[in-house]
Amino acid sequence: KQEVTQIPAALSVPEGENLVLNCSFTDSAIYNLQWFRQDPGKGLTSLLLIQSSQREQTSGRLNASLDKSSGRSTLYIAASQPGDSATYLCAVNPGNTPLVFGKGTRLSVIA
Amino acid sequence: DAGVIQSPRHEVTEMGQEVTLRCKPISGHNSLFWYRQTMMRGLELLIYFNNNVPIDDSGMPEDRFSAKMPNASFSTLKIQPSEPRDSAVYFCASSLERVDGYTFGSGTRLTVV
Repeated sequence: KQEVTQIPAALSVPEGENLVLNCSFTDSAIYNLQWFRQDPGKGLTSLLLIQSSQREQTSGRLNASLDKSSGRSTLYIAASQPGDSATYLCAVNPGNTPLVFGKGTRLSVIA
Repeated sequence: DAGVIQSPRHEVTEMGQEVTLRCKPISGHNSLFWYRQTMMRGLELLIYFNNNVPIDDSGMPEDRFSAKMPNASFSTLKIQPSEPRDSAVYFCASSLERVDGYTFGSGTRLTVV
């Protein structure tokens, strides 16, 4: 059974810092991996989708990497801003079953 | 595209009452998923449909929960009778195919008192 772990559970950084959020999964047989952002009381917004054949995806200040063989993904946020404060969720798509989610990392960027 | 549309946004009901949550997926998407989110358990898959057919409902907590997808543009999740432990945020998501990226709705926050 696929399990997804996100470390740390919570993170607080000063504005302007570059930061890395970590995601690990137990079964490397995945179709893709998706990073989401969730603001308090809101739904999930897709940030980046990495296919199993890809090593990384970039969108603005966000860069997500995927190392399928080691079961790891990282989300890199450059020059963090208070508006980046949210919970970031990692989810893997095993292909034969729907997305499996981690518990998320709650990020606070302090001005 | 308006995205995945869920209604209602908030629902407060008394224990024992029937609750119906609604979802309209993105037009053209073939797969639809119902998830439940709580602080303790995070996001849990309840059921998913492919081409309107339920594929896996093993995540449905018990017989009090049922879901239908009568056509490609509409799905419902029903709880009857509701209990306080059903209080959570229920999300609907859709994707073009099961292996594609998912788009989530804004969720329905259910409170059973």
